[in-house]
Parts: sequence; C-alpha cells; structure tokens
Amino acid sequence: QSVLTQPPSVSAAPGQNVTISCFGSTSNIGNNYVSWYRQMPGTAPRLLMFDNSKRPSGIPDRFSGAKSGTSATLGITGLQTGDEADYYCGAWDNNLYAVFGGGTRLTVL
Amino acid sequence: EVQLVESGGGLVQPGGSLRLSCAASGFSFSDYWMHWVRQVPGKGLVWVSRINSVGRTTHYAGSVKGRFTISRDNANNALYLQMNRLRADDTAIYYCARGYYYMDVWGKGTTVTVSS
Repeated sequence: QSVLTQPPSVSAAPGQNVTISCFGSTSNIGNNYVSWYRQMPGTAPRLLMFDNSKRPSGIPDRFSGAKSGTSATLGITGLQTGDEADYYCGAWDNNLYAVFGGGTRLTVL
Repeated sequence: EVQLVESGGGLVQPGGSLRLSCAASGFSFSDYWMHWVRQVPGKGLVWVSRINSVGRTTHYAGSVKGRFTISRDNANNALYLQMNRLRADDTAIYYCARGYYYMDVWGKGTTVTVSS
C-alpha cells in the first residue's frame, strides 16, 4: 500500500482535459514539494513536474501541477493518444524517506 | 547526453547477496544526490535509498534498512547498491535516479529476481 493515494485509473476522450489527484499527509505533501512522473509501458519513469508546478524542459504546457494542503493535482489538457501511460506522484517525507503514489493509469478513449 | 546505466541484476537465492551498479555520464556526477527506486512489474514505484553528493549522508526505506547499503565512487562516476539477506519480496526492477528530493534523470533499470 502506497503512502500517497492516487486513483487507480482515469480516462477521457482525445482533446478533452483530465486531472489526476494525489493525497498525502502533513509529513510529506503538506510540508514538501510534489513531483510527478510518467511511465510508458516497458520504459523507465520520466519526470513530468517538480516543485508542485514546474515543468522540466521538453514537457509541453498542456501539463500543469498544483498543490493545496496535503493534496496535489496533475492536469492534462487537450489529451492525445500518446498521453496514455501510468502517472505517479512523489514527495519527500519528513521522516527521511521518499514516497510515491500507487500510480494512475490514464486511458485515452 | 545525460545517462544512467544500471547493471548487476540477476537471479539470486533467498538469503543471498547482489551488488547493483549505476554508471553515470554526461553530467557532473559528484554534484548530485542519487537514489535507487524499485518496481515490481505491473506495480508501482517504491523508493529504496538515497545518498548525498559526497557519500556521507544516506537514507533508506524501512523495508531494506540494515540489509541494503548505498554507496558511490565519484572518481568513477558510479553509484552502488549492496543488497544482502535478499528476500523474495525484493524481486523487482531497480532504477537509479538523479536528484535531491525529486528524480530528474532515470536509468533503464536492472532486474533482480530472488528465487530458489
């Protein structure tokens, strides 16, 4: 069981928008930055968002991140079939370890 | 090109040991904290350990503390994970990743299978 809680799956049609939620606690999300990772089948994870809402270079502005209290959200606008992947949130915990969510499978219908 | 390449995975019996390596290139390795993260195929990411840039500060997940040791050789741009007293539930793909509290570069992973 993961420390951070994500919905197991979300789905939407191409062109639509979707949000993925991530719930934690005061020891992780509540007092630390949130990061998001995307993992395509059979490949390594890739950083999608850091410091709650900052995009690494090469990540389009269709992707956005936000944090409020002990929860965070990843938003994707204008869904494309290539966005189908597993998405993970992550954060550092003040108990001196990193934590991840269980992952959300995004299906573009 | 910034790159991390893991090696050293394989099949090991329960109770055995294995040492994973991660070769870094394309960036100043000695400037960065490094992590090991593992993943059972089809399951989620699980953080294992991290080490600071000079190798003096380490942190471990509770499930591996006392059994695994993270270390690094900055002269050779290498990160290691010594895994002892391996158990079946250590079976996973092991990724090395660069970063302090988030991981901005990941290797492709090396597979560890603990089975008799």
